[in-house]
Amino acid sequence: NAGVTQTPKFRVLKTGQSMTLLCAQDMNHEYMYWYRQDPGMGLRLIHYSVGEGTTAKGEVPDGYNVSRLKKQNFLLGLESAAPSQTSVYFCASRDYGYTFGSGTRLTVV
Amino acid sequence: GEDVEQSLFLSVREGDSSVINCTYTDSSSTYLYWYKQEPGAGLQLLTYIFSNMDMKQDQRLTVLLNKKDKHLSLRIADTQTGDSAIYFCADPKENTDKLIFGTGTRLQVFP
Repeated sequence: NAGVTQTPKFRVLKTGQSMTLLCAQDMNHEYMYWYRQDPGMGLRLIHYSVGEGTTAKGEVPDGYNVSRLKKQNFLLGLESAAPSQTSVYFCASRDYGYTFGSGTRLTVV
Repeated sequence: GEDVEQSLFLSVREGDSSVINCTYTDSSSTYLYWYKQEPGAGLQLLTYIFSNMDMKQDQRLTVLLNKKDKHLSLRIADTQTGDSAIYFCADPKENTDKLIFGTGTRLQVFP
């Protein structure tokens, strides 16, 4: 039982490149979330999903897309990375409580 | 709005008590959370309090909830160097399926 697993753990992108962050959970949770963490701003919700095949926008969705094709996976995509997207990204899944992944540190240069 | 606010920094001496404060705007949640983030790690649930409670104690942790003032606090007794971390209060917006975090308070414990 691994909980919530995020890959990759670190990544450096050039401006304009694209990438996908993967979140996988093995707890059969319906709800999944993507947050970004920036100094002094806490965690801000990017997108979330309330079940397989569903997605919804959070507080800061611009520049990101998500997909939930399988219940256990929630993908976060950056189509054209910008330096403002340099951040630490956390995935979470929820049943009665929230379980967080260990984070992905992304740097866009 | 959905604001959850905290002070950014707190510095205490080892052995003293720490009090981390949080204010929130939405009072409809059934419970409120405190999360702890150690350096380079993800978030771990530290404790929570149901909205019908005023206080919850769990070993060195005491959570106080003032619903009238929409104020939540976390007290850590006998603070240790291992308590150094960022502490987030979080408000689950149950009607919207979202968990809204405060800005986080960085607790630094010095000898």
